Amino acid sequence: GENVEQHPSTLSVQEGDSAVIKCTYSDSASNYFPWYKQELGKRPQLIIDIRSNVGEKKDQRIAVTLNKTAKHFSLHITETQPEDSAVYFCAGTGNSGGSNYKLTFGKGTLLTVNP
Amino acid sequence: DAGVIQSPRHEVTEMGQEVTLRCKPISGHDYLFWYRQTMMRGLELLIYFNNNVPIDDSGMPEDRFSAKMPNASFSTLKIQPSEPRDSAVYFCASTQAGHYNEQFFGPGTRLTVL
Repeated sequence: GENVEQHPSTLSVQEGDSAVIKCTYSDSASNYFPWYKQELGKRPQLIIDIRSNVGEKKDQRIAVTLNKTAKHFSLHITETQPEDSAVYFCAGTGNSGGSNYKLTFGKGTLLTVNP
Repeated sequence: DAGVIQSPRHEVTEMGQEVTLRCKPISGHDYLFWYRQTMMRGLELLIYFNNNVPIDDSGMPEDRFSAKMPNASFSTLKIQPSEPRDSAVYFCASTQAGHYNEQFFGPGTRLTVL
């Protein structure tokens, strides 16, 4: 099955700086990589995703890049704001046996944006 | 739509007791997922259903855990007997068939087994 490693486990930045979170995956057949944001005491919510036929995707201040050869993908947040403080999870889904819906999550990154 | 609904939101029970967690997916969604979240193990998929049929239960930790989906609008996750190591937040999520659709999570049930 898929194995997803996520780094760093904690990240502290100053407001306005950029934040980068990196993930690696093991299943070369994986073709979908979502990122979820979970605020304290709340549910995970999808913030951006990327499919394996795309190298980069942007949505305002957030972007995700994918390197299929190296089997890693990254989340980039620019101009960070205090409300970006949360735990961020990356995930992968193997394409073996049609299990496109079976997400394997990384362990999460606690991002703290200091005012 | 009200989103995914879970009950109870909090459950405190004693070791050895039976616990039943409930989930109502978003109307029209045909995939339902049960996850467990702990500090040590992160967010783990326990089991998922498609059109009320269990597709993959390889994440269910042991025979003490069971899940059912008797109809398209209701699912249960049961732990019998419960143990302190089962303490966690249990999330239910749902999505609609299609390629790579977003999974919508419920608010979760915080389970504490004493």
